[in-house]
Formats: sequence, C-alpha cells, structure tokens
Amino acid sequence: SQWGEENLQALSIQEGEDVTMNCSYKTYTTVVQWYRQKSGKGPALIILIRSNEREKRSGRLRATLDTSSQSSSLSITGTLATDTAVYFCATVTYQGGRALIFGTGTTVSVSP
Amino acid sequence: EAAVTQSPRSKVAVTGGKVTLSCHQTNNHDYMYWYRQDTGHGLRLIHYSYVADSTEKGDIPDGYKASRPSQENFSLILELASLSQTAVYFCATQGLDTEVFFGKGTRLTVV
Repeated sequence: SQWGEENLQALSIQEGEDVTMNCSYKTYTTVVQWYRQKSGKGPALIILIRSNEREKRSGRLRATLDTSSQSSSLSITGTLATDTAVYFCATVTYQGGRALIFGTGTTVSVSP
Repeated sequence: EAAVTQSPRSKVAVTGGKVTLSCHQTNNHDYMYWYRQDTGHGLRLIHYSYVADSTEKGDIPDGYKASRPSQENFSLILELASLSQTAVYFCATQGLDTEVFFGKGTRLTVV
C-alpha cells in the first residue's frame, strides 16, 4: 500500500473551530492532493501541494508537506457546517503509468 | 466545464452475472481511472488507462476487467459478479495537470 499511518478516522467539531488532519505516505511523490467528498457526490480537489512547497494556502485551507517525513496535513480555519465532508489525501505514483492513490479519508462533521 | 458521465448510476446485479459499468468523458483527458469505494475505506484504484486500447492494473484488479476503446470511453467489466463487489464505483479523468475529475458514481449492489 502507498499509505503508512492511517488517517484519523472521524472528527466532530462546532462551527468556527479549526481542524487539522494528517496523512503519511510510503513512497516518493511529487505532489500531494487533498480532495473533499460530500455525501452522495464524487470527490473534488480542494488543494494541491507540490514537493518543492512546504505550505500552500487557499482561502480557509492550509496544506503542508514534509517530504523528509513523507507526511502532509490539511487545516481548515473557522469551519462552517458546509465543510462537513470526508477529506482524502492522494499522491501520484508511477506504476506503468501515472496513478492517483488515495488514503482512507477523514470524516469531518461540523455542527452549527 | 469538465464532464465525466457514468452509467448506470445505480444497478442491482445477481451473483455470477456479468456487469458492465460505463464511463464517458468530454474532457479530452488521456488518463482515465476506475475506483471503488466501500464504507470505511477510501478510494481504491482498480484499473486505469492512459491511452486508447490499453489498460493498466491498479491496486485491486482481481475480479475486474477494463476496456478503453476510445479516448472518451472507459468501461469496467465484472464477468462474474460476487457479493463482495457491492460498492460505489467512481470513474475519473486526468489531463496533463494533476487535478482529477470524478463522475457522480455508480452504486452497485450484488445480490
């Protein structure tokens, strides 16, 4: 498997709180992508961080990447109820072509 | 707007029967993927393709075949459906940049 430590499985928080989720990966990657999947929908990319970046911000989202420890984190500040979703990290591996491999995901439930 | 269309959106199949899930894209992307999602698991890669008439095995290919007859179409075939293949299946595409676009998913129930 591409993945080492399991992602934290589920988080329940109140609106306005900040949340951070982590993932680690086993093999070299040039990019880590974070996807959000809302109930009944397919995943959608929310932020992407490349191996030459330590941090990337997009609105209330902040992603970090530590290539030495092969880990990445996603933080959401000032959560809203609409942030309720499953969040996946994903890396690109090369195995006879380019494949995007997903971690198991973190379920975030934000209560109003 | 990128578009990945899966059909059917939902299907009930009998054990031992043949099931074909279809995916059509208008993104003009080279890469297409089939993922499986089970409760408590992330998305697991079954098969993928980066050129027409060629497919590659992902992490969990056993029990599945794939077909890429054209750049736009990518099918997932279950020759002998089993109960353990009950899941939601997602098709996705990826172009030269790294963002992946997903279809809305197909809920397959094998009984």
